[in-house]
Amino acid sequence: DIQMTQSPSSLSASVGDRVTITCRASQNISNFLNWYRQKPGKAPKFLISAATSLQSGVPSRFSGSGSGTDFTLTISSLQPEDFATYFCQQSYTTPQTFGPGTNLEIK
Amino acid sequence: EVQLVESGGGLVKPGGSLRLSCAASGFTFSDYYMNWVRQAPGKGLEWVSSISSSGAYIYYAPSVKGRFTISRDNAENSLYLQLNSLRAEDTSVYYCAKALRSYSSIYGLDVWGQGTTVTVSS
Repeated sequence: DIQMTQSPSSLSASVGDRVTITCRASQNISNFLNWYRQKPGKAPKFLISAATSLQSGVPSRFSGSGSGTDFTLTISSLQPEDFATYFCQQSYTTPQTFGPGTNLEIK
Repeated sequence: EVQLVESGGGLVKPGGSLRLSCAASGFTFSDYYMNWVRQAPGKGLEWVSSISSSGAYIYYAPSVKGRFTISRDNAENSLYLQLNSLRAEDTSVYYCAKALRSYSSIYGLDVWGQGTTVTVSS
């Protein structure tokens, strides 16, 4: 199975800050990497598909990059609704594994 | 509006069984791969199973293979997950989720239900 890791596991930041979350795959997954945001008690929300493709309705402050094994999610200017947990997911092969999550907290 | 609504969760004893359902609306259900993803209390997301649009291709996580069975009824726009031989570690919120693109499972999961809670405890 492909193992996914994320760093940092938690992050404190302020409204307006620029933050970057890193996701790494244990083997080459091309660009089959997706990002989700989850707020407590809610279902995940799909943000980015195929490493860089912003989903409809997702604000342009979100961006994704990377290919192969190393990927990043960047939020250019944090808004209050962005304080949540972020998960990456590889969809290159089954089982489609998720990263452990990055908890983004208000400083 | 595209919507997924899960049901069927509950409290079950170890070794017991449960059947989860997911009712889909607002899209052509028969065109899309469907998935089950679970989340244990306070933990991350775990992909459980997926089924192709026709039901011909089925995949499971190693942790549930041989115990869980995914199925779908395209005439009823419904997805199912039969959970057998349940263990305490199966306690989770179970989400059904739709694949982003028709006839493909590789571009992520764009629509999620609200989840149904399964608790395995004696």
